[in-house]
Amino acid sequence: GENVEQHPSTLSVQEGDSAVIKCTYSDSASNYFPWYKQELGKRPQLIIDIRSNVGEKKDQRIAVTLNKTAKHFSLHITETQPEDSAVYFCAALLMNRDDKIIFGKGTRLHILP
Amino acid sequence: SAVISQKPSRDICQRGTSLTIQCQVDSQVTMMFWYRQQPGQSLTLIATANQGSEATYESGFVIDKFPISRPNLTFSTLTVSNMSPEDSSIYLCSVRPGSQETQYFGPGTRLLVL
Repeated sequence: GENVEQHPSTLSVQEGDSAVIKCTYSDSASNYFPWYKQELGKRPQLIIDIRSNVGEKKDQRIAVTLNKTAKHFSLHITETQPEDSAVYFCAALLMNRDDKIIFGKGTRLHILP
Repeated sequence: SAVISQKPSRDICQRGTSLTIQCQVDSQVTMMFWYRQQPGQSLTLIATANQGSEATYESGFVIDKFPISRPNLTFSTLTVSNMSPEDSSIYLCSVRPGSQETQYFGPGTRLLVL
C-alpha cells in the first residue's frame, strides 16, 4: 500500500521568512496530493492540493510542487505570518484503486516573532 | 464543499462502556470515512463507511470494536465499544463529495476514557 513520509517533524521560522515542508510517497500511481492545516483544537482544513498532471500550483502565499519522477512533493509558504503557526499534513491518494487518502505524520510549524 | 457536524463534540466515559458518535452531512456524499487522531499524532483511517453494506476496515481495526452504520448518503455512526483508556483520542468523520478527490473533515469528537 501507499506510504507517505513527511519532513521535518518540527520547523521554526522567523516571521516574514519562507517555510518548506517536504513529502515523499511510495506508490508511483498516486495521482492526487492534498495538504491540510490543523490549528490547535480544530479540524484539519484543506489548504491546497495538486494533481499528478500538474507540476506546480500556487495560491497567494502558498505553493505546492510535485516531482513525479522522484515521487516527492513540497509545500512552500512565503512571507510567513503568526497565523501560519499550525500542524501541516501532506497526503497522497490513489484514485480508483485504493480510494484512500494516506497522511504523513505532520509538521509542526512555529512562526517566531 | 460540505458542511459536516458531529455529536457529541466531547465526552468523558468510564472504561467498559460504549459511545456512539454521529456524523451528519448537509448534502449527499459518495464516500464517508472515520479517522482516529491520537494526541500529537497524524490521522489514522479506521474504516470506510459504505452506504447499505458493511464498512471496510483498515488493518488493526475490527467491526466488534468499532461498529459503523451508514443508513443513507448523509449520515453515519461510529461506536467505540468496551472502551479502555487507550481509546482516548479524537474521532473524525470525513467525506468526499461527488466524484472529486477533495476530502473534508468534521469537527471531531474528543473522547476521554477513565
